Amino acid sequence: DAGVIQSPRHEVTEMGQEVTLRCKPISGHDYLFWYRQTMMRGLELLIYFNNNVPIDDSGMPEDRFSAKMPNASFSTLKIQPSEPRDSAVYFCASSERWGYTFGSGTRLTVV
Amino acid sequence: EDQVTQSPEALRLQEGESSSLNCSYTVSGLRGLFWYRQDPGKGPEFLFTLYSAGEEKEKERLKATLTKKESFLHITAPKPEDSATYLCAVQAGSTDKLIFGTGTRLQVFP
Repeated sequence: DAGVIQSPRHEVTEMGQEVTLRCKPISGHDYLFWYRQTMMRGLELLIYFNNNVPIDDSGMPEDRFSAKMPNASFSTLKIQPSEPRDSAVYFCASSERWGYTFGSGTRLTVV
Repeated sequence: EDQVTQSPEALRLQEGESSSLNCSYTVSGLRGLFWYRQDPGKGPEFLFTLYSAGEEKEKERLKATLTKKESFLHITAPKPEDSATYLCAVQAGSTDKLIFGTGTRLQVFP
C-alpha cells in the first residue's frame, strides 16, 4: 500500500495565481480530510468528505478555497486567487473512521 | 468550543532522561484522544488512540494515559531517534473530524 499520495510536494506561485493541490487516498478508506498546518495555528481542518460527499467545510477560510472529490480515489483543493497568507503546508488524510493516515503534504509558498 | 492545549511547547532531554508531555482538552462528548508523531517534512504518523479515562497504551518507550481532563505521553529513557513533534488530537460529539493541539517539539541529545 503506497499510503496517501499528495502532489505536488512543493509549489511556489505568484500572488493571484490559481493553485491546485491533489490527493489520492488509501483504497477502501471512505473518509478524506484536508488540513492546513502553519507555525502559528498548527493543524487546522479545512474540509472533510465521507463517501465523496462534503460533510463539513466550516474550516474553509473563504470563497477563494474550494475542494472536490469526484470519485473515491481522487480529491483536489483549489485556491483561486492565491494570496501570500495562504502559504502553509497542506495535508490530506484518509480514514476508515478511526486513526487517520496522513500524506506527506504539499508545501505552498505564495510570493 | 472544543479545545486542545499541549505543553510544553518544546522540550530538550538528555538521552535516557525520562519525561512526560501533557495534552489537556475541553470537549463535549469525547469519543477518542489520539497521539501522533511528526518528523520534519513529513505528515503526522499515528501512535495511539485512547477512548476512556483510565486507559493506557504502550509502544516501545512511549506510554499514553488518559484522564477526564488530560492525557500524558510518557517517554521512558528516550533516544535521539525519539526527537520529533508530538501532536495530540481529540474526536468529540457527532463529528468525525480531529481537533489538534499545536504540539510539543521534543529534542533528545546524546
